[in-house]
Amino acid sequence: DTAVSQTPKYLVTQMGNDKSIKCEQNLGHDTMYWYKQDSKKFLKIMFSYNNKELIINETVPNRFSPKSPDKAHLNLHINSLELGDSAVYFCASSQGLAGGPLYEQYFGPGTRLTVT
Amino acid sequence: AQSVAQPEDQVNVAEGNPLTVKCTYSVSGNPYLFWYVQYPNRGLQFLLKYITGDNLVKGSYGFEAEFNKSQTSFHLKKPSALVSDSALYFCAVRDKGSSNTGKLIFGQGTTLQVKP
Repeated sequence: DTAVSQTPKYLVTQMGNDKSIKCEQNLGHDTMYWYKQDSKKFLKIMFSYNNKELIINETVPNRFSPKSPDKAHLNLHINSLELGDSAVYFCASSQGLAGGPLYEQYFGPGTRLTVT
Repeated sequence: AQSVAQPEDQVNVAEGNPLTVKCTYSVSGNPYLFWYVQYPNRGLQFLLKYITGDNLVKGSYGFEAEFNKSQTSFHLKKPSALVSDSALYFCAVRDKGSSNTGKLIFGQGTTLQVKP
């Protein structure tokens, strides 16, 4: 069984379009995250939700909007896509209160977004 | 500001030899440290963590890491490398400034290449 799944795996789209990436975890975790990995493999957190509440909101353009319909899902919607948005986006989840220090994060396989 | 540094972009080692992937950190107080591995076209996988206690932490796939407070280091080690260990390795520290959000700060990653 896949623990953290993301769809789609690949996403190719044109500048200016709006797209969404979906994430689901079946681990029973209460905290979920979105990370961006750039072309140099640098990994940076974007958002985190705990029990459907936004708890981390890094300096990300407001074209990016996360939505958590329930604890098992965290989707990422991106408006007016730009070339610089091209990256691999990873969803992750962790157990426990706000993913506290004791708990490791489980990552999805990633979504490779290419904006042309 | 809290940070993690991985001073080597790439580490090359022959199969069967011991390997070390270096990580140094800068945090106030006691750090919570993690190692993750990323295989090609995959998400990150948790290897091990240091929260408190014994400075030598054992993790998955025969890896271990040594926490050294005086040198502010958390180097990843394995006594005998396998070709299948070839991957991208990330060191991470929990951001204690973001109280109880589980935010991780990742190093820039080190590519481990194990040659037969």
